Amino acid sequence: AQSVSQHNHHVILSEAASLELGCNYSYGGTVNLFWYVQYPGQHLQLLLKYFSGDPLVKGIKGFEAEFIKSKFSFNLRKPSVQWSDTAEYFCAVTSDSSYKLIFGSGTRLLVRP
Amino acid sequence: GAVVSQHPSRVICKSGTSVKIECRSLDFQATTMFWYRQFPKQSLMLMATSNEGSKATYEQGVEKDKFLINHASLTLSTLTVTSAHPEDSSFYICSAEGGGIETQYFGPGTRLLVL
Repeated sequence: AQSVSQHNHHVILSEAASLELGCNYSYGGTVNLFWYVQYPGQHLQLLLKYFSGDPLVKGIKGFEAEFIKSKFSFNLRKPSVQWSDTAEYFCAVTSDSSYKLIFGSGTRLLVRP
Repeated sequence: GAVVSQHPSRVICKSGTSVKIECRSLDFQATTMFWYRQFPKQSLMLMATSNEGSKATYEQGVEKDKFLINHASLTLSTLTVTSAHPEDSSFYICSAEGGGIETQYFGPGTRLLVL
């Protein structure tokens, strides 16, 4: 069965620090990859997605993610975080064998001012 | 971007009663809607998938007679928690997908508390 792993459950950074959140998936076929963000008290919002083409995907709010097929990874990055980036981040995947969106366990990011 | 709404945002009910939660896609036609449950500090768990005009497909372990799903139109799906019990208390989230876009857009969620 497909699965998504987010190894960092909690991350604490100071403002202006660089961010990289790990995401690995287990499936050998074609995948669609997503990062969603859930700000405190708000609903899940799509940050960015990868379907095909350039493996470096740019999303909203300065976030980007890189699809590395050989590593089954889709890590999320931001060069300089802000206090307002405090949220929970979820990596998710669908595939050519399943339309279902499989979520990782999430990473809680706290950015200290 | 696509907007999905849910109503109500919070509901408190007595054990044994039924609760209906609505999910609407406001600016697109949702051929498929999904219902998730999120426990505190955990990820989303898919409960069921519904396509407009057909029966919902439930995930393993989800009781279809307890969690009734109706997707009567391309903009509305409802989840009815029947004979609710305290263990049904949770955060229920819907998402919608449609218009040829293979991306799910999520509603704000409904927090259910069963006393």
